[in-house]
Amino acid sequence: GAVVSQHPSRVICKSGTSVKIECRSLDFQATTMFWYRQFPKQSLMLMATSNEGSKATYEQGVEKDKFLINHASLTLSTLTVTSAHPEDSSFYICSARDLRTDGYEQYFGPGTRLTVT
Amino acid sequence: GNSVTQMEGPVTLSEEAFLTINCTYTATGYPSLFWYVQYPGEGLQLLLKATKADDKGSNKGFEATYRKETTSFHLEKGSVQVSDSAVYFCALSGWGHSGGSNYKLTFGKGTLLTVNP
Repeated sequence: GAVVSQHPSRVICKSGTSVKIECRSLDFQATTMFWYRQFPKQSLMLMATSNEGSKATYEQGVEKDKFLINHASLTLSTLTVTSAHPEDSSFYICSARDLRTDGYEQYFGPGTRLTVT
Repeated sequence: GNSVTQMEGPVTLSEEAFLTINCTYTATGYPSLFWYVQYPGEGLQLLLKATKADDKGSNKGFEATYRKETTSFHLEKGSVQVSDSAVYFCALSGWGHSGGSNYKLTFGKGTLLTVNP
């Protein structure tokens, strides 16, 4: 089946520093990847849509200068949380659409737990 | 905008019990509907989907029927197993401004199911 990996799975950083999270589609190509944020006991909230070779599309209320997204290849998208603050602590999840399917299914990564101290 | 409301958990059942998790939605256009499952420590996986009214999605003994008249997509299983213990998310895929799916997913808050032997 289609596999999406995320790295790291957990990261702790100090306030004011930047953190990069990678999302990789391991056995398929994905022109579109999505980044979500999940708060405890709450739903996944779409942050942005990442398109290979073009700028990401951010959802309303998401700061594009704070959450930098780069989709440099058909198998890799990165999310960089810049100048992180404790309120950025959350569970970040990516997903990818498989070019070979009708596109409705998104394959999800296992998530990255970010803690900002 | 689009929204998904699903039954709040947690839900605790005994093995072989009947399961229903309610899900209703609000959306413009003709959304596709999904149930995703997240097993402990893993990423979300697509459980089943329905792309038009009256479609029934089914997989692993789970079923859900796309009811446009009641804007619902309730998840059911006749006899649950301990291995079904997981968090279940109802979701819809939105409709783009220019027509056609934009493939963005809107999730419900998730329902934690625990099945005891």
